[in-house]
Amino acid sequence: EVQLVESGGGLVEPGGSLRLSCAGSGFRFTDAWLSWVRQAPGKGLEWVGRTKSKGSGETREYAAPVKDRFTISRDDSENTLYLQMNSLKTEDTAMYFCSWNQRPDTLDLWGRGTMVTVSS
Amino acid sequence: DIQMTQSPSSLSASIGDRVTITCRASQSIGTSLNWYQHKPGKAPNLLIYAASSLQGGVPSRFSGSGSGTDFSLTISALQLEDFATYYCQESYRTFGQGTKVEVK
Repeated sequence: EVQLVESGGGLVEPGGSLRLSCAGSGFRFTDAWLSWVRQAPGKGLEWVGRTKSKGSGETREYAAPVKDRFTISRDDSENTLYLQMNSLKTEDTAMYFCSWNQRPDTLDLWGRGTMVTVSS
Repeated sequence: DIQMTQSPSSLSASIGDRVTITCRASQSIGTSLNWYQHKPGKAPNLLIYAASSLQGGVPSRFSGSGSGTDFSLTISALQLEDFATYYCQESYRTFGQGTKVEVK
């Protein structure tokens, strides 16, 4: 079964850091382009960033609100995608989803998300 | 940055109704437009890609059309399992604000 499972969410104070993980299975993870998307409480979906595969240069892109604070990385030996989040703000509070770009322009498969709450 | 505007933000409909949601891009995006369905507590689900191509496993009552700046998603006969929030997306990036389809 093709699957993505996020973990690592929790409560963190403003200015703090958190690392999210996304474990993939059932597909060739090494070749996968992978994205992070978030949804703040009561709000819509917001694209966070993406990494291409190593074979495609492992290019990473970020949305403006998280650029220079968030870093996407991957460990293909563990079939795991990461999102390192630093200098967290209250507005980063959201459910964070990882997604597989099976095609370059689509988010074909999603996990069920992990919740991040930034609050003092 | 490209902005995506959906309308309406919510609608009420009955089982069997034909439902159409529109999405407008702030500049031409060709056919780089996707539609997703999202239910609370679940993973979002890709319905339509490249403006009009049906994702595998998605019922044929879902269809998409449009190009350039104006796009639409149509559900030909609404089923109980279709009550959800629908999002358009430009390529792999910017989402519309969502359209919640509720029971009338």
